[in-house]
Amino acid sequence: GGIITQTPKFLIGQEGQKLTLKCQQNFNHDTMYWYRQDSGKGLRLIYYSITENDLQKGDLSEGYDASREKKSSFSLTVTSAQKNEMAVFLCASRRLNQAPLFGEGTRLSVL
Amino acid sequence: AQKVTQTQTSISVVEKTTVTMDCVYETRDSSYFLFWYKQTASGEIVFLIRQDSYKKENATVGHYSLNFQKPKSSIGLIITATQIEDSAVYFCAMREVTEGADRLTFGKGTQLIIQP
Repeated sequence: GGIITQTPKFLIGQEGQKLTLKCQQNFNHDTMYWYRQDSGKGLRLIYYSITENDLQKGDLSEGYDASREKKSSFSLTVTSAQKNEMAVFLCASRRLNQAPLFGEGTRLSVL
Repeated sequence: AQKVTQTQTSISVVEKTTVTMDCVYETRDSSYFLFWYKQTASGEIVFLIRQDSYKKENATVGHYSLNFQKPKSSIGLIITATQIEDSAVYFCAMREVTEGADRLTFGKGTQLIIQP
């Protein structure tokens, strides 16, 4: 079986700081996604990638950059952390028409 | 406009009964994929069941089944013989594949509380 690993699990940043979140999968999945989940709310799509070096904007891409340099990894950068921001960032991946599978998330707090 | 809508914010039922969670979606695609996920108290998101739009038969996996009504753009999740462990937040999601895009959009979720 495979696994989707998100690092770090917890991230504390300062206002204005650039922060990078990483996601690795060993399923050999083609498509990968980044979602943001605010407390008690649904998942909003930030970026996705259908193959290595491909990037597609989601509904919430402003304030974020993404990178897919290898098929197995997809990173997300918060370009300037907002004060008091708290959210969970979730990575998912999918092969062909299978159901996307999720990592455990990175919990972000900004002081 | 929301593409995937779950109108029930929270549902509470007694253990061992059947519960139905609603989900409606909007799409112009003739072919699309619908999924239900469960998010546990720890935050883990688990895939439960899927319905491909071209399939007429409702999907069933264990004690989960779907009520797919394509003309109404509706995909309800039915859980029979509910257990305490089914308490979680349930998300409906739709994957649309259009020219140049392949998006997976989620509803806002329904919290299910199973009482003893």
